[in-house]
Amino acid sequence: GAVVSQHPSWVICKSGTSVKIECRSLDFQATTMFWYRQFPKQSLMLMATSNEGSKATYEQGVEKDKFLINHASLTLSTLTVTSAHPEDSSFYICSARDQSAAGGPYEQYFGPGTRLTVT
Amino acid sequence: QKEVEQDPGPLSVPEGAIVSLNCTYSNSAFQYFMWYRQYSRKGPELLMYTYSSGNKEDGRFTAQVDKSSKYISLFIRDSQPSDSATYLCAMRGSSASKIIFGSGTRLSIRP
Repeated sequence: GAVVSQHPSWVICKSGTSVKIECRSLDFQATTMFWYRQFPKQSLMLMATSNEGSKATYEQGVEKDKFLINHASLTLSTLTVTSAHPEDSSFYICSARDQSAAGGPYEQYFGPGTRLTVT
Repeated sequence: QKEVEQDPGPLSVPEGAIVSLNCTYSNSAFQYFMWYRQYSRKGPELLMYTYSSGNKEDGRFTAQVDKSSKYISLFIRDSQPSDSATYLCAMRGSSASKIIFGSGTRLSIRP
């Protein structure tokens, strides 16, 4: 099956610093990638949808200047948490849509997640 | 009212028991219904999916969708300790629409 990787899997940073998380589709091209945030014992909340070569679409309530998304190639999207604060500590999960499998649920594959802890 | 409602549990059953997980939803436009399994500190993996109403079976897992009642279920037969995870129901309308997740049910299978 299609594989989506994330790097790093776990990161600790100090308050006020910025952190970049990478999401890669390893064996397929993804014109669309999604970024989710998951707090402990809660469900996945969609933060934004990124399309290769264009600006990301953010969900209501998500600060686009704080969560910078870049989707520069068909296999890579990055999420940068700028000026991170302890309340940004969460599990960030990306997902990539395989256009060749469009039309069904198998088209969207999830990465293993990145645990961010801001101290 | 949330679009998708799911009992968060936790649910604890002995090994070998039949497990029933359920979700209700309010949006009649949903057409694709999925169940994801998520182990601790991992991303979700697609377990089962159903298009529109009906049943689907895959080994020990059976997914049911009742669109008239806006109710979906996942049954796990002969449950194993390795089935211990959080199970997320999810649904979407068209293939272009975003996936809406339930809150997840934490399941624990006792040896």
